[in-house]
Amino acid sequence: DSGVTQTPKHLITATGQRVTLRCSPRSGDLSVYWYQQSLDQGLQFLIQYYNGEERAKGNILERFSAQQFPDLHSELNLSSLELGDSALYFCASSVGSGVNPSSTDTQYFGPGTRLTVL
Amino acid sequence: DAKTTQPPSMDCAEGRAANLPCNHSTISGNEYVYWYRQIHSQGPQYIIHGLKNNETNEMASLIITEDRKSSTLILPHATLRDTAVYYCIVRVAGYSGAGSYQLTFGKGTKLSVIP
Repeated sequence: DSGVTQTPKHLITATGQRVTLRCSPRSGDLSVYWYQQSLDQGLQFLIQYYNGEERAKGNILERFSAQQFPDLHSELNLSSLELGDSALYFCASSVGSGVNPSSTDTQYFGPGTRLTVL
Repeated sequence: DAKTTQPPSMDCAEGRAANLPCNHSTISGNEYVYWYRQIHSQGPQYIIHGLKNNETNEMASLIITEDRKSSTLILPHATLRDTAVYYCIVRVAGYSGAGSYQLTFGKGTKLSVIP
């Protein structure tokens, strides 16, 4: 158990709909990362938040957005869903964004949310 | 971040040591080598990381060559529960700009532990 929790475990919805995935980081971690794993693309970084602020963006679609709340939990919002959005979505957390040059800031992953778009 | 090369698959007999190689010939001096594994569709699990010295923890050992161009993850006594995809990732140490902490996953090595 990594200490990172994600809800829900499974989500089945229809094309065109909007869903929200939730992530609670490990106690004391300030950074949250979202990753998408699909069969054809592998594990891909989407976005990172640090202490409530967006820190880095990866291959995140404009239909997707995220935020990190004052209690440090994060939500990933997926809208206008398409069949190709079906994937596993993982959240990871780490202590910080690592402004200390010697910090390795290891990421710990949650169990994921499996999204199926029909 | 430097790219890594791993064999797509490996077999290991239960109880024997599993040695998983990784090539990272373009690694920079400030980049760490990280290993994660993913069992079936579970979240990736952190195993170990290192810069230039060999490292050992309760899960595995990491051997990094002196020139740092390759490394080997060693699971000393593989069990059936070690069957997973193992990812070798090179990532910069410290903050060097936006996105510097993201992990770039390749295809990894699928390790099958055989009874």
